[in-house]
Amino acid sequence: EPEVTQTPSHQVTQMGQEVILRCVPISNHLYFYWYRQILGQKVEFLVSFYNNEISEKSEIFDDQFSVERPDGSNFTLKIRSTKLEDSAMYFCASSADYEQYFGPGTRLTVT
Amino acid sequence: SQQGEEDPQALSIQEGENATMNCSYKTSINNLQWYRQNSGRGLVHLILIRSNEREKHSGRLRVTLDTSKKSSSLLITASRAADTASYFCATDAGGSSNTGKLIFGQGTTLQVKP
Repeated sequence: EPEVTQTPSHQVTQMGQEVILRCVPISNHLYFYWYRQILGQKVEFLVSFYNNEISEKSEIFDDQFSVERPDGSNFTLKIRSTKLEDSAMYFCASSADYEQYFGPGTRLTVT
Repeated sequence: SQQGEEDPQALSIQEGENATMNCSYKTSINNLQWYRQNSGRGLVHLILIRSNEREKHSGRLRVTLDTSKKSSSLLITASRAADTASYFCATDAGGSSNTGKLIFGQGTTLQVKP
């Protein structure tokens, strides 16, 4: 069964460093998303992406964040200058219709 | 309460019993989805119910939706120890610029004791 994959599974970085989280959505899906979950808290929407552009972004998704679909398979989330409060689990999701399928997540730890 | 609030926050039952989790939301929705999350892992899609549907079944799962009360319930019948996980409802508000954004609740932590 096709699934969303994410790499790395765990990323440790120092405050102020740039990180790129990678996702490979399900191949025939057209809608892509990033969510995050701070430990012990609810899953929060970050951004949705369709037709090579952002369709909606949350207040969390400020100028430090960007997304890209550099080729036909990858979907990336970049954080330009990480802060301690960016430490969270980041989930990529994709959908063909309304059902969103999530990847296993990347645990980002900012020290 | 916020969009997509589940109750109870925690539920502990014996294997074989049924587990019912409720979700309430505030705004109108296009659909509501239930997800399962095992500790520290990703979200597994369980079931989607559209705003014009009242009930949906999938295996041992039964979901109801009452748009007049802005609430949904997830029933897991004949629970198993492997059902131990956190369960989240997520609402898709839809609208004219439907971007698929999901708003998640805090979740219900279910423990099924063998």
